Amino acid sequence: AQTVTQSQPEMSVQEAETVTLSCTYDTSESDYYLFWYKQPPSRQMILVIRQEAYKQQNATENRFSVNFQKAAKSFSLKISDSQLGDAAMYFCAYIRRGSNYQLIWGAGTKLIIKP
Amino acid sequence: GAGVSQTPSNKVTEKGKYVELRCDPISGHTALYWYRQSLGQGPEFLIYFQGTGAADDSGLPNDRFFAVRPEGSVSTLKIQRTERGDSAVYLCASRASRNTEAFFGQGTRLTVV
Repeated sequence: AQTVTQSQPEMSVQEAETVTLSCTYDTSESDYYLFWYKQPPSRQMILVIRQEAYKQQNATENRFSVNFQKAAKSFSLKISDSQLGDAAMYFCAYIRRGSNYQLIWGAGTKLIIKP
Repeated sequence: GAGVSQTPSNKVTEKGKYVELRCDPISGHTALYWYRQSLGQGPEFLIYFQGTGAADDSGLPNDRFFAVRPEGSVSTLKIQRTERGDSAVYLCASRASRNTEAFFGQGTRLTVV
């Protein structure tokens, strides 16, 4: 069975600095997708960034980028120039290609931004 | 609607009562998911609909939980004989065919007292 592990229950960063959130996963599949979702106090999950496993190039979305290490099964999220609005829970998630596309989730990391 | 809508936003019920949670997905999205998120944890899959049919209900914890989507749009999650352990945020998500991105509602926080 696939599993997703986030080993950092909480991280804090000074406003305008850079922070990296860690995620590892376990799967025997070769074709899959990985995601980072943000969950603010409003509870709505918001997609931050997506990575296709067959792509070697790391995905980037403005201040957000990932370090995807397929062999190591590692998928970390880097947030540059942290802003107060980035404060939230961040969840790493996995989908197996060709499945019903249900998301398998990590336990989350709470990100605190210090002004 | 513009996004996934879930009602009610919050629900407090007494142990043993029956509850219904509603999800109105994005128009045209054929795939619909229910997840349960307990305090301090990541969401857990409950059930997946493709159109009107429940294509995968392997995540439902027991037979007190049931979900329907009779017209392939709105879905209702039904919980009978609620227990305190059912207290959680219930998230609904919808997805367009041939797309991996799921769009989420704001969830229903269910509290069983």
